[in-house]
This record gives sequence, structure tokens and C-alpha cells, in this order.
Amino acid sequence: DAGVIQSPRHEVTEMGQEVTLRCKPISGHDYLFWYRQTMMRGLELLIYFNNNVPIDDSGMPEDRFSAKMPNASFSTLKIQPSEPRDSAVYFCASSLVMNTEAFFGQGTRLTVV
Amino acid sequence: SQKIEQNSEALNIQEGKTATLTCNYTNYSPAYLQWYRQDPGRGPVFLLLIRENEKEKRKERLKVTFDTTLKQSLFHITASQPADSATYLCALVKDTGTASKLTFGTGTRLQVTL
Repeated sequence: DAGVIQSPRHEVTEMGQEVTLRCKPISGHDYLFWYRQTMMRGLELLIYFNNNVPIDDSGMPEDRFSAKMPNASFSTLKIQPSEPRDSAVYFCASSLVMNTEAFFGQGTRLTVV
Repeated sequence: SQKIEQNSEALNIQEGKTATLTCNYTNYSPAYLQWYRQDPGRGPVFLLLIRENEKEKRKERLKVTFDTTLKQSLFHITASQPADSATYLCALVKDTGTASKLTFGTGTRLQVTL
């Protein structure tokens, strides 16, 4: 398996634009996580899915953020409208079992200007 | 809520020495904790998991200890090498329930020099 795949690796967008981040988890993993990493706050869990169902989205900062997992091999994180304070690195991770070894993607570095 | 403290100052160490990184937590005692390595521009990579009933865990040159009385985990790299230079993150899980999430510290950067 190629591991968790995220796209794009880098995204620069203007404030107010819609941004969509994509993730392909490792095949067979039942859990998928979206994290955001900044220097100030470190790695924060935004939302996670179990078998494609959103379980906990309490980390999603605002209604501008939404995430979907239409099938076991694909998930998206959308920000609409984007703001400069959303600039961060967004990671997707997957695991076989909750809270065991998590496999992270390479991340998407988002810059909102 | 749980607060996790890792030394924000970089740890500089000479090749061949043992590097020791600290993870302190407040409030509840976690069911287990994990250590990850993160290189610049990459996602974290899992290294070790230790449970609350385990005092110590080893994997090759890595050793993790877990002291629930001190509310602290120590992460050791023996015979450190320049390739060990990276940021190391600790992450805690409150309990073994399926709703319990990983909470990460902000990490400590390790620099191993020749």
C-alpha cells in the first residue's frame, strides 16, 4: 500500500475562496482522521470517521469547515469561505483500530492570503 | 481538559549520546500514550505505544517509560545519530473506549550533531 495519500501538497488561495482538501486512506483502515497543525497550537484533531460515518466533529473550528467521506477510500475537508487564519498544514490519518498506530499522510500546506 | 507539555526548546545532543525527551501531562491519567517522529514537511510517524500498566517499552535503540505518579513519560534514544534529528511528539489517549481521541503535545525538536 502507498500509505495515506493527500492532495494537493500545497494550496495557496485568496480569502473568501472555497478550498477542498482530499485524502485517500490506507485500504482496510476503518478510521480516518483530519488534523490541523500550526506552530502555536500543534496538532489538533478536527474530525474523525468510523466506517465512513462522522463520529466526532467537535474539533471543527467553525461552520465554514465541513468534511465528508462518501466511501471507504476517499474523504474531503472543505473550507468555505477561507480566511487567512485557516493557514496551516492539514493532515489526514487512518488507522485499523481507534487510537492505535495512526498512519499520517504528507499533509496539505494551506496558505490563505 | 488534558494539558500536555513537551519542552519547546530544541534539544541539542552529540552523536553517540543518549537523548532524553520529556512528556508531562496534567489532569487525568491516560490509558496509554504514543510517541511519534515528525520530519520537516512530512506527517508524523508512529514509533511506540505504552499502556498505563506498563512501566517501560523498548524498540531497538528507543525506550519509553511511563510514570503515572509523576504524570510523565520519558522517551530515550540511545547511541543517537544525526539521522535521529527530528521533532518528537507524544500523544495521549484518555481511556480505551472507542470515543476516546488522541491528544498531541506540541513536540520537541531533537538535533544530533557530529
